[in-house]
Amino acid sequence: AQSVTQPDIHITVSEGASLELRCNYSYGATPYLFWYVQSPGQGLQLLLKYFSGDTLVQGIKGFEAEFKRSQSSFNLRKPSVHWSDAAEYFCAVDRLQGGSEKLVFGKGTKLTVNP
Amino acid sequence: NAGVTQTPKFQVLKTGQSMTLQCAQDMNHNSMYWYRQDPGMGLRLIYYSASEGTTDKGEVPNGYNVSRLNKREFSLRLESAAPSQTSVYFCASTSDRGPNYGYTFGSGTRLTVV
Repeated sequence: AQSVTQPDIHITVSEGASLELRCNYSYGATPYLFWYVQSPGQGLQLLLKYFSGDTLVQGIKGFEAEFKRSQSSFNLRKPSVHWSDAAEYFCAVDRLQGGSEKLVFGKGTKLTVNP
Repeated sequence: NAGVTQTPKFQVLKTGQSMTLQCAQDMNHNSMYWYRQDPGMGLRLIYYSASEGTTDKGEVPNGYNVSRLNKREFSLRLESAAPSQTSVYFCASTSDRGPNYGYTFGSGTRLTVV
């Protein structure tokens, strides 16, 4: 089945530590890829997106993600985490299927930041 | 501000009641979507509309109906609410693919069915 997998349900890091959130997808072609962040009780905020070209993309809040075609992965990274980064993170894949775009989400990774 | 507007923001229903969630976008987008978000499940697509006058089922359509009233508005109806429909509902829209392609989400409707 076509899917988006975020293997880590919950990650805890210390403030100032580096962060990597994993995302794998199972679609054959190169889809459009997104990372969103959601703070408790809030809506979705777009962190970054990848369509084509340079496989390392920069986003807001100091986040970056790297697309690796051979691994079907689009992992999100941040060199130094801030307490305000505590939130839930969603990887999403957009596919053009049957003439319509559809955005499929992973189940999310909840990030806890320890002081 | 341009964007996607959802109403209401909060709603409590009794089992068996009906209601309609409203969504409107002012960005002239062709495609609109309804998602539901449940803990540990991410966002799942309920229905979508690729253009005015067309709708199609997503991953979890059972118990819902939709109407694409015009290009701006896409409503989601629960005919007979069930506790399993307790969730946060997000509406989204997007333009056709291009350099600035992306999804714009509303702020969500938190629905509780008791």
